[in-house]
Amino acid sequence: KNEVEQSPQNLTAQEGEFITINCSYSVGISALHWLQQHPGGGIVSLFMLSSGKKKHGRLIATINIQEKHSSLHITASHPRDSAVYICACDGLTFGKGTHLIIQP
Amino acid sequence: NAGVMQNPRHLVRRRGQEARLRCSPMKGHSHVYWYRQLPEEGLKFMVYLQKENIIDESGMPKERFSAEFPKEGPSILRIQQVVRGDSAAYFCASSRHGTVTDTQYFGPGTRLTVL
Repeated sequence: KNEVEQSPQNLTAQEGEFITINCSYSVGISALHWLQQHPGGGIVSLFMLSSGKKKHGRLIATINIQEKHSSLHITASHPRDSAVYICACDGLTFGKGTHLIIQP
Repeated sequence: NAGVMQNPRHLVRRRGQEARLRCSPMKGHSHVYWYRQLPEEGLKFMVYLQKENIIDESGMPKERFSAEFPKEGPSILRIQQVVRGDSAAYFCASSRHGTVTDTQYFGPGTRLTVL
């Protein structure tokens, strides 16, 4: 069974700050997904990573397969980035999520 | 191009009743996943279906829960004799290819409340 740990659990930051959310897992995987769950509950897929790094706008996701670790970065954070960020291993085993609040 | 549809969005049932949750995947997607999110907990995988087949039901409780994805119509998650502990948000997602690298598109969820 894959144990997926996210840190931090909760993060409050000021608008403009650089944000890092971490995800570690215990068993090797083929793909790691980052999801965003909005306050209203809707879930959006942000990235799928098999290796290396991906960038989309202000979001950057990296994965280190050997260390079983992935990070999600948000540059120039904005209040609209406030959401729960969830990592998922092979799309089926989820971390508990990081609750992010960006204050204006 | 409509996204994943789920209905109802909110469902209230009394203990012992049946709950039926429906999920229509995105057009062109034949792979459907169901997840449960308990209050203050993370998403938990329940079941993965392809048209007319259950591929992986390792996350389904052994009793009272069943799922289907018929040739025609939406996928249905059925909970018989609901109990208070079944109160949760149930999300479905669909994908085109069903591989672990495939993007899953999530529906808005059904919030089930058991009185």
